[in-house]
Amino acid sequence: NAGVTQTPKFRILKIGQSMTLQCTQDMNHNYMYWYRQDPGMGLKLIYYSVGAGITDKGEVPNGYNVSRSTTEDFPLRLELAAPSQTSVYFCASSKTSLSTDTQYFGPGTRLTVL
Amino acid sequence: GNSVTQMEGPVTLSEEAFLTINCTYTATGYPSLFWYVQYPGEGLQLLLKATKADDKGSNKGFEATYRKETTSFHLEKGSVQVSDSAVYFCALNRNDYKLSFGAGTTVTVRA
Repeated sequence: NAGVTQTPKFRILKIGQSMTLQCTQDMNHNYMYWYRQDPGMGLKLIYYSVGAGITDKGEVPNGYNVSRSTTEDFPLRLELAAPSQTSVYFCASSKTSLSTDTQYFGPGTRLTVL
Repeated sequence: GNSVTQMEGPVTLSEEAFLTINCTYTATGYPSLFWYVQYPGEGLQLLLKATKADDKGSNKGFEATYRKETTSFHLEKGSVQVSDSAVYFCALNRNDYKLSFGAGTTVTVRA
C-alpha cells in the first residue's frame, strides 16, 4: 500500500492564481482531512470528509474548497491565492470516526504564494 | 474547547541524553492522546498513543503516560540517538475524530 499520497510536493503561485492540491489514499478509509501547518504552529484543520459526497468545514476553511467524489480522492482547491495561504498542506485519512483511531498523513505540499 | 500546550523548543541534546517533552491538554470528557513525529522532509507519523487514563503508550524507546489528574501526556526517552532528530507533536482527539495539535517541539540530537 502506498498509503496517503499528495501532489505536487512544491508549488509557487502568484497572488490571485488558483490551483488544486491532490490527495489520494489506497486504504479504503472513509474519513479524510486537510490540514495546514504554519511555522511554529500546530496543524490546523481546513476541511474534512466522512465519506464520498460528504464534506464539512474545519477550523480555517476560508479561501479553500473541497470535493469528495470517490472514497480514494479528496482534492483541495485554492481559488484566489493569497500570501496568507503560504503554508505546508497535509492530507490525512482514518478508517473510523473513533477518537482512538490513528490518522495517516501524506508527505505534504509546500505552497508559496508571492 | 479542546487545546494542547507543548513545551517550546527547540531542544538540542547530545546522543544518549534523556529527553522529556511536556504536553498538557484541555478537553471535556475523556480524549485520546497521541504523539506524532515528523522527520525532516516527511509527513507526520504516529509515534504512540493512549486512549484512557493511566494508559502508557510506547514505541521505539519512547513512552508517555496518560495522566488525567494533571491533564498531561509527557513524552520521554531514556537515551536519544541522532536519528531521533525530528519535530514532535502532541495531539488529542475528543470524540469527533478531529485532532487538535500542539505547536510542535523541534528536537536536534548531536553526535
